[in-house]
Amino acid sequence: GNSVTQMEGPVTLSEEAFLTINCTYTATGYPSLFWYVQYPGEGLQLLLKATKADDKGSNKGFEATYRKETTSFHLEKGSVQVSDSAVYFCALSDRWQLTFGSGTQLTVLP
Amino acid sequence: EAGVAQSPRYKIIEKRQSVAFWCNPISGHATLYWYQQILGQGPKLLIQFQNNGVVDDSQLPKDRFSAERLKGVDSTLKIQPAKLEDSAVYLCASSLAPQETQYFGPGTRLLVL
Repeated sequence: GNSVTQMEGPVTLSEEAFLTINCTYTATGYPSLFWYVQYPGEGLQLLLKATKADDKGSNKGFEATYRKETTSFHLEKGSVQVSDSAVYFCALSDRWQLTFGSGTQLTVLP
Repeated sequence: EAGVAQSPRYKIIEKRQSVAFWCNPISGHATLYWYQQILGQGPKLLIQFQNNGVVDDSQLPKDRFSAERLKGVDSTLKIQPAKLEDSAVYLCASSLAPQETQYFGPGTRLLVL
């Protein structure tokens, strides 16, 4: 079956630090890949997505590249802000169902 | 464009009681999903509707959980009777079609005592 493995948290960074959150997946077929973000007290919001190999998704300074050869979709940001503090979920979609990772809590300190 | 609406936002009940959650998807979205998110875990799909029909309910504990989507718009998820392990956030999501991007509501946080 499909599965997503995320880097365990929590992750604590200082403002303007570089962020990487690792995500690897197992899937049959050719899934689409997503990063969702969940701010405190809110629902999940789509951050970025990639639908095929070598695609790069980007939004709000975050980037992730669909790497089929390593089955990875690592999330990166060059300079994090306090407002980026949230839980980040990697997910894949095979046909029509989303499978989520367990989430990574990010805290950015001023 | 209005997002996915859910109510209530919080609910506290005792075990063996019943509870119901309501979801109003984004207008025009044919596909509706209910997820259960236990603390520290990613959301897990409970049931998926396409219009008013069930597409997948393989992970729904049917002995205690039920869901309906009358008229293919709003949806209700019910738990009867609740158990302690049902304490979680229940998320509703909708999409234009099954393979389109899913948009999530704020969730209902349930605590079973």
